[in-house]
Amino acid sequence: EAQVTQNPRYLITVTGKKLTVTCSQNMNHEYMSWYRQDPGLGLRQIYYSMNVEVTDKGDVPEGYKVSRKEKRNFPLILESPSPNQTSLYFCASTPWDGTDTQYFGPGTRLTVL
Amino acid sequence: GENVEQHPSTLSVQEGDSAVIKCTYSDSASNYFPWYKQELGKRPQLIIDIRSNVGEKKDQRIAVTLNKTAKHFSLHITETQPEDSAVYFCAARKGDLNDMRFGAGTRLTVKP
Repeated sequence: EAQVTQNPRYLITVTGKKLTVTCSQNMNHEYMSWYRQDPGLGLRQIYYSMNVEVTDKGDVPEGYKVSRKEKRNFPLILESPSPNQTSLYFCASTPWDGTDTQYFGPGTRLTVL
Repeated sequence: GENVEQHPSTLSVQEGDSAVIKCTYSDSASNYFPWYKQELGKRPQLIIDIRSNVGEKKDQRIAVTLNKTAKHFSLHITETQPEDSAVYFCAARKGDLNDMRFGAGTRLTVKP
């Protein structure tokens, strides 16, 4: 089954404790991205990757890191989480086939105390 | 950069009525306008999209119209059903996928 998966789905952590949210897609998509969703703000892009070893900042990259060592995986790293990073996070992937359809993962609800 | 405004933020309609959600964008170079539906606790899912070379697109009960001159586009849902209740997001993009900007969302409630 073609899908985007994220882990964990829910996470409660404390300020300053490094964490990684994994994202994996099995559709061989070139493009992957991370969004955060906050009430009244829609979805805002954090980082994106055009392909392996190619990543760049989105609109709200501060406090986040990413890597793209393999085509299927695009982990989001919070080196020192802060309470303002409490949010719902979505990973998405898109093929370079002209359809522009973004496939979203199930989301990760993160709470930073 | 691109700025997308979406109205209304909440919309309540009676089952069977039509619902219209409107979005405006700021960058005239934007050329791709998708709409996403997000049910409670679920991921956003693409329901319809339109490109700048088309004025209207329809898929069963859902249609999207685009007015490039006025820089606005709208989602129309006819014969609404309770299962249409969700949050709807519009987005606008120019060029590459990294230029995607989302509206703040509209919570649609369809009352039986």
